[in-house]
Amino acid sequence: EAQVTQNPRYLITVTGKKLTVTCSQNMNHEYMSWYRQDPGLGLRQIYYSMNVEVTDKGDVPEGYKVSRKEKRNFPLILESPSPNQTSLYFCASGVLGEDTEAFFGQGTRLTVV
Amino acid sequence: SQQGEEDPQALSIQEGENATMNCSYKTSINNLQWYRQNSGRGLVHLILIRSNEREKHSGRLRVTLDTSKKSSSLLITASRAADTASYFCAPGSTSGTYKYIFGTGTRLKVLA
Repeated sequence: EAQVTQNPRYLITVTGKKLTVTCSQNMNHEYMSWYRQDPGLGLRQIYYSMNVEVTDKGDVPEGYKVSRKEKRNFPLILESPSPNQTSLYFCASGVLGEDTEAFFGQGTRLTVV
Repeated sequence: SQQGEEDPQALSIQEGENATMNCSYKTSINNLQWYRQNSGRGLVHLILIRSNEREKHSGRLRVTLDTSKKSSSLLITASRAADTASYFCAPGSTSGTYKYIFGTGTRLKVLA
């Protein structure tokens, strides 16, 4: 089954404790992206990647890191999480080019206390 | 900005009625896509309309695009309770930067 898998689905952590949210897709997509969703603010893009070893900042990259060492994986790293990073996070992937859709993961609800 | 702006922010209708939501954008586009999000879940692609198309249908969905006004509308006919969700548009820019940018969405509630 074609899918984008995020782990964990739920996470509660403490301020300053490094964490990684994993994202994996099995569709051989070149493009992958991370978003955060907050009430009233919609989905905001954090980082995106157009291929292995090619990443770029989205609209809200501060406090986050990503890597793209393999085509299928695009982990989101919070080196020192803070309470303002409490949010619902989504990973998405897609084929590069026009007229193609994005496929989303099921989301990770992160709480930083 | 490549972001689309959905309007209204919230919409509440009775089952069986039609629901219309709108999207405005600022850049030149190759296409425009609509997505649905059920509460707390990932977005799901609904329909894509190319910049040279004016209208497109998919089941109970009808999408229009007016590139001169930089706007699109999504019509859901004969709505059902299961249509309750948030709906987002994503304009596909001609700028060459390939990324999906979403706005705040329209929250649709269909009352049974």
